[in-house]
Amino acid sequence: DAGITQSPRHKVTETGTPVTLRCHQTENHRYMYWYRQDPGHGLRLIHYSYGVKDTDKGEVSDGYSVSRSKTEDFLLTLESATSSQTSVYFCAIRPGQGGEKLFFGSGTQLSVL
Amino acid sequence: RKEVEQDPGPFNVPEGATVAFNCTYSNSASQSFFWYRQDCRKEPKLLMSVYSSGNEDGRFTAQLNRASQYISLLIRDSKLSDSATYLCVVNARPGNNNDMRFGAGTRLTVKP
Repeated sequence: DAGITQSPRHKVTETGTPVTLRCHQTENHRYMYWYRQDPGHGLRLIHYSYGVKDTDKGEVSDGYSVSRSKTEDFLLTLESATSSQTSVYFCAIRPGQGGEKLFFGSGTQLSVL
Repeated sequence: RKEVEQDPGPFNVPEGATVAFNCTYSNSASQSFFWYRQDCRKEPKLLMSVYSSGNEDGRFTAQLNRASQYISLLIRDSKLSDSATYLCVVNARPGNNNDMRFGAGTRLTVKP
């Protein structure tokens, strides 16, 4: 158990509304990631963080923003949700001493109607 | 062309069978390779790393072919519990541990 909690686990929202997903970790890992998973695409990196207030864009960052004000929390925000953002969102951590291995949270199923 | 490509399957095999999956990657400079397992509606979990010399963990064997830019996963004596989707993961930006690229996965169903 990598001590990662995602909330909410499920969310249904309407197009144009803001949505924030939360990732919480208990083990003070430096690196945190947000991925989305869609059929036929596998997991794609949205944004990642390498420390408090240090974030960078991933492969599919358009329409998303992130914040990390504390080591333990990494927030993903959809400022104005669109139907194309309906997906399963996974948060992951990478222990700094563990090379490139990723440990994932349980995921958030987001539906934008 | 996708950076990491896998045969989506599904592979349907009987218990006890040997099954192999391949995964191709596009960046010849990639240095790190992994197989993850994902059960239905669950998060991916690391199955094994793939080393240049190949590596084995019980019934699972992973190999790397740099010349042809593919990695493989062999499962021997398949169990019902091996039913899952297997994800190939490649570090597409050598030197940047933050950019791991995932294949779309190969689905395996092991039947009694």
